[in-house]
This record gives sequence, structure tokens and C-alpha cells, in this order.
Amino acid sequence: AQTVTQSQPEMSVQEAETVTLSCTYDTSENNYYLFWYKQPPSRQMILVIRQEAYKQQNATENRFSVNFQKAAKSFSLKISDSQLGDTAMYFCAFMKLLNYGGSQGNLIFGKGTKLSVKP
Amino acid sequence: GAGVSQSPSNKVTEKGKDVELRCDPISGHTALYWYRQSLGQGLEFLIYFQGNSAPDKSGLPSDRFSAERTGGSVSTLTIQRTQQEDSAVYLCASSLRKATLQETQYFGPGTRLLVL
Repeated sequence: AQTVTQSQPEMSVQEAETVTLSCTYDTSENNYYLFWYKQPPSRQMILVIRQEAYKQQNATENRFSVNFQKAAKSFSLKISDSQLGDTAMYFCAFMKLLNYGGSQGNLIFGKGTKLSVKP
Repeated sequence: GAGVSQSPSNKVTEKGKDVELRCDPISGHTALYWYRQSLGQGLEFLIYFQGNSAPDKSGLPSDRFSAERTGGSVSTLTIQRTQQEDSAVYLCASSLRKATLQETQYFGPGTRLLVL
């Protein structure tokens, strides 16, 4: 069974600075997707970034980038130029891909990191 | 361009009562998922519907939980004889699932259930 671990329950960062959130996962699969989702107090889960395991290049989305280390089973999220609106819970998630290319279906989530951006 | 919607937003019920939670996925999305988020926990997978295939019920915690998806669109999650440990936020998500590049799940705002 796959597991996802986020070792930092809470973090804080000053506005405009950079912060990195950690995520490790355990799987025997070779093909999978990894995601970071953001959940602000409104409860709405918002996709931040995704990474396909077969891609060596790290995904980036504006101020958000990942450091994907497949051998180490590590998938950290870097937020640059932090903004007050980045304050939220951040969840790392794993999705297995079946051999024919379809997903397993469900996401497996870590327990989240609560990020506070301070003015 | 509506996203995933869920109703009710909040639900308070008494122990032992049945509740129904509704999810309207994004139009055209073939896959629909239910997750549960308990206080201080991550999200726990409950059930997954894909097109006309039999649903994956492997995450349902007990036989008090059931879900259906009518006409390949709207889904209802039913909890019978609710218990206090059922108190949580229930999140629904949908994805296009027509190709491997369309696996991203888009979430609704959730239903917060409180069982007294």
C-alpha cells in the first residue's frame, strides 16, 4: 500500500520570502502522479501543481515549483515570493497509474502542512 | 463554467439519523470521488465512480455508508444511523478521465457534517 508523509505539521514564512514544504511517499510502483493541493479556510481544495513520475523535469507553476527526487521518493514544494493569500493547509497526494495508462482512481493524501504567511 | 458543487454546505444531525449528501460534478467529467476529512487528519478516500463501471467501494468504512451516481452525473452519499465519529467534512471531486493527462481531480467546497 502507498503512504504519503508530510513531516511538518505547521510552518510560517514572512511575506516575500521563500518556503519549502516536505513530502515523502512510499510505493513500489514505477508509474504514478504526484500532486500538491492547497486548502484555504474556505475548505475548497485547489490544485497547486502536479508531477508525472516518468518526467525527470521538475514541474513549475509561476511562484510554485517542486523538487522531485524519484529515487529518494521525495516531492517537496517550494513557494517563492510568499504572499498572504498563500496561507492555507497544503496537502501532498499520490495517484497510482495502472499499466495501461489509467489511474487507480483515488488520491492518497498526506496529513497536511499548515502554512502561515506573516506580513 | 461551474465547478463541483456540494449540498448542503453544513449539516447537523442527531446520532442514529440518516443523512444524504449531494455532489454535482463538473459537466462532462466521467469520474467522481468521495473523500472524508476528519479533524486533524488528511483526506480519506471513500468511493469512486468511473462512467458506467461498477464503483470502487474499497474505502467505505462500514456498511452504514453507501453512494450512488444517477445518470452518470449527480451523486449522493448516504450515511445511515449516523455516529459521532462520522462527524467530518465530506469532499467530492470529479475528473475528466478521458486520457491520462486528464487525471486531475477538481474538488467541491465540501459538506461539514456534525453528529450530535
